[in-house]
Order: sequence, then C-alpha cells, then structure tokens
Amino acid sequence: GAVVSQHPSRVICKSGTSVKIECRSLDFQATTMFWYRQFPKQSLMLMATSNEGSKATYEQGVEKDKFLINHASLTLSTLTVTSAHPEDSSFYICSATDRLRATGELFFGEGSRLTVL
Amino acid sequence: RKEVEQDPGPFNVPEGATVAFNCTYSNSASQSFFWYRQDCRKEPKLLMSVYSSGNEDGRFTAQLNRASQYISLLIRDSKLSDSATYLCVATGGFKTIFGAGTRLFVKA
Repeated sequence: GAVVSQHPSRVICKSGTSVKIECRSLDFQATTMFWYRQFPKQSLMLMATSNEGSKATYEQGVEKDKFLINHASLTLSTLTVTSAHPEDSSFYICSATDRLRATGELFFGEGSRLTVL
Repeated sequence: RKEVEQDPGPFNVPEGATVAFNCTYSNSASQSFFWYRQDCRKEPKLLMSVYSSGNEDGRFTAQLNRASQYISLLIRDSKLSDSATYLCVATGGFKTIFGAGTRLFVKA
C-alpha cells in the first residue's frame, strides 16, 4: 500500500520559535497533500490543501502567514509553524492521495505532536 | 449544519455485541465514501470503502444510500480491540470532509 512518512513524530519547542514538519510520500507521487490539526478529543480539522508547484489553499480561519506550507516536489510537503505559541500545541497530521489510484483514499502520515512551552 | 454528521458517542458495548454507526452527508456531489478508524494519539487508518452495493469485510459491513445521503457501518461480534474512534469520510473532487467521529468502547 501507499506509505506516507511524517517527521518529526514529536517536538517540544519554546514559545516564539518556528517548527517545520515534513510529510513524504515514499512509494507514490502525491500531487495533493492535506494538512490537519487535531486537538484532544476533537475531530480532524483540515488546515490547508497543498498542491505540488503552487500555493496552498487554506481553510477559513487558518492564518497562512503563521502556517507556511511548501509542496516543492511530488513527494514532499512541509508545514512550518512560525512563531509558535502554546495554543498551537496540537497533533498535526498530513495525508496524500495517490494520483495513479482513482479511489480517493487518503493515506496518512503518522502525525506530529507539537508541544509549545 | 456540518457537511458530514455522525452519531454522537461514545458507544459503550460488551464484547460480542453488534453495534451500528450512522453518518449523513450534505453535499450531493460527494463521490467517494470511507470509514476510517483512529486510535488514541494515532493517525486515522482506512477501515473500508463504502459502495452503493454495500460491502462486507469480516465482521464489518458498510452501506451507502445515495438517495438519503446516508452511510452506515455495522460491527458484529465486537472485540476489545475494536475500541477506537470511527470517522466517516466523504470526498468530492479534491475536497475531503471528515465527520467528527464516534467513539466506541468495547468492554469485557
């Protein structure tokens, strides 16, 4: 099956610093990747849709200058949380679709747990 | 109204019970439907796709009713390991909408 690798799985940082999370499709090409955030006991919330070679599309209420998304290749998308604050502490998950499969199935990374002190 | 709505949880059932989850979607243009399972502090994993003809995988049966815009998941003979959050998902074009999830607790 298609594999998506996300790194780091866990990160702790000080308030005001920036954190980069990587999402890689290991055995397929992903023209579109999605970034989600999940707070404890809540559902996945789509933050943005990342298309290879173009600007990401952000959901309403998500600050594009705070959550920088780059999708420079068909196998890598990055999310940078800039000037992180404690309220940004959350579980961030990426997913991707395999453009060669027409099923619409999403393949998820393992998630990154961010704690901002 | 949310685009994908699920039964509120949690469901607490004994081992061996049959449990059913329901889900409705509001976008009639949605094309593909899935049930995902998410364990605590883990990423969602695909449980099964949902087709109009219905599909079964072992103890799990999924049904789709396009006319009513309704999706269901039936779990028979519940196991302790079935305890998780079950997410209903509808996709259309490049848009994927997740339901809020239904938590299931299976107890011995």
